[in-house]
Amino acid sequence: DPKIIQKPKYLVAVTGSEKILICEQYLGHNAMYWYRQSAKKPLEFMFSYSYQKLMDNQTASSRFQPQSSKKNHLDLQITALKPDDSATYFCASSQDGQANTEVFFGKGTRLTVV
Amino acid sequence: GEQVEQRPPHLSVPEGDSAVIICTYTDSATAYFYWYKQEPGAGLQLLMSVFSNVDRKEEQGLTVLLNKKDKQLSLNLTAAHPGDSAVYFCAVSHYGNEKITFGAGTKLTIKP
Repeated sequence: DPKIIQKPKYLVAVTGSEKILICEQYLGHNAMYWYRQSAKKPLEFMFSYSYQKLMDNQTASSRFQPQSSKKNHLDLQITALKPDDSATYFCASSQDGQANTEVFFGKGTRLTVV
Repeated sequence: GEQVEQRPPHLSVPEGDSAVIICTYTDSATAYFYWYKQEPGAGLQLLMSVFSNVDRKEEQGLTVLLNKKDKQLSLNLTAAHPGDSAVYFCAVSHYGNEKITFGAGTKLTIKP
């Protein structure tokens, strides 16, 4: 059974619209993350949360907003979508926010903006 | 900021041969080193992690070498089999910082 659930698996959106990518983890972890993998760039760190608090934000655009309603949830809201936002978005989690604790990744949500 | 270069981008080897993937990083403060495997439609699977005080680590047909002087990290798969076909990523992180910086990936194909 997958322990990090990302929904939906595939998503097509119209330019200018807003979408929410869902992530839930059932590993009992305290830290959660979002990464983005696009055709043009390597996997990029976007956000980290620890105990539902934002720890690090490496995303330049405020159009990307994480939302943590519960400790094991970290959704990603993307507003005013652009074609350049097309990518696979990976949610991840780890026991805590320290380096060298194993980070587990979900299977990703593949977003296409047309 | 930290940059990680990975080569080659594509690698094809016959079954039973070895495959070597190399990464170079830029920040001498880098403390933790990782290798991930990504199969089609799947998430990232951690293969091995090493701390900066380790020069060599071997596990289940995989060897990771760390050359801190040259800021180089390598992954050697011995006796490769078709199940090893996947995209492999090196990655690094720093002390007290959970952010992982990834290389661009190597698509490894094992030919039967």
